Amino acid sequence: EIVLAQSPGTLSLSPGEGATLSCRASQSVSSRLLAWYQQKPGRAPRLLIYDTSSRASGIPDRFSGSGSGTDFTLTISRLEPEDSAVYYCQHYGWSPYTYGQGTKLEIK
Amino acid sequence: QVQLQQWGAGLLKPSETLSLTCIVYNKSFSGYNWNWIRQTPGKGLEWIGEINDSGNTKYNPSLERRVTISADTSRNQFSLKLKSVTAADTALYYCASFHRNGNDLADCWGQGSLVTVSS
Repeated sequence: EIVLAQSPGTLSLSPGEGATLSCRASQSVSSRLLAWYQQKPGRAPRLLIYDTSSRASGIPDRFSGSGSGTDFTLTISRLEPEDSAVYYCQHYGWSPYTYGQGTKLEIK
Repeated sequence: QVQLQQWGAGLLKPSETLSLTCIVYNKSFSGYNWNWIRQTPGKGLEWIGEINDSGNTKYNPSLERRVTISADTSRNQFSLKLKSVTAADTALYYCASFHRNGNDLADCWGQGSLVTVSS
């Protein structure tokens, strides 16, 4: 099973700034099959990025993903108050699909 | 646009069987993977398993002995059964669909069902 470790645990930034969220896998992720989700309180997770760097439908281009092997990054530019949420990475290369523990992004 | 609505018993006693159903609106089963995922404050998000439109299933090995995911394509529904529940199975359970069309991937989630296991 791939263990995903996300850092930092919490990120507190101001509107307009940029955020860099990290996801490190315990072993290489197959074919870059890694996704990022955004979850707001009381809501189900929402797919932001899949296949490491492809944006899901309707996701603004302020969100971008990169990485390979065991190190992946979600970058959010020009932060807006609505970006406050918990962000999770997930690998889906093979079963069991696993999630990171999440990074909480606070917009001051 | 796909919509998912889920339901099932919210309060169970230890050793009972958890049963949840998710109905799919506005799409047929074809071309989708239908998943169950749960979330707890302690363990975060945990993938339970999935069924595809051919009826093939994959399960998380940590739950495989107790879990069954099935689909009723005639009713556009898929279901989760988890037997012999304990307090550790207390969680918010989601059904979710994932659809890959070429290079595009789309998701859709149910509203979530809070399941509490308590004697």
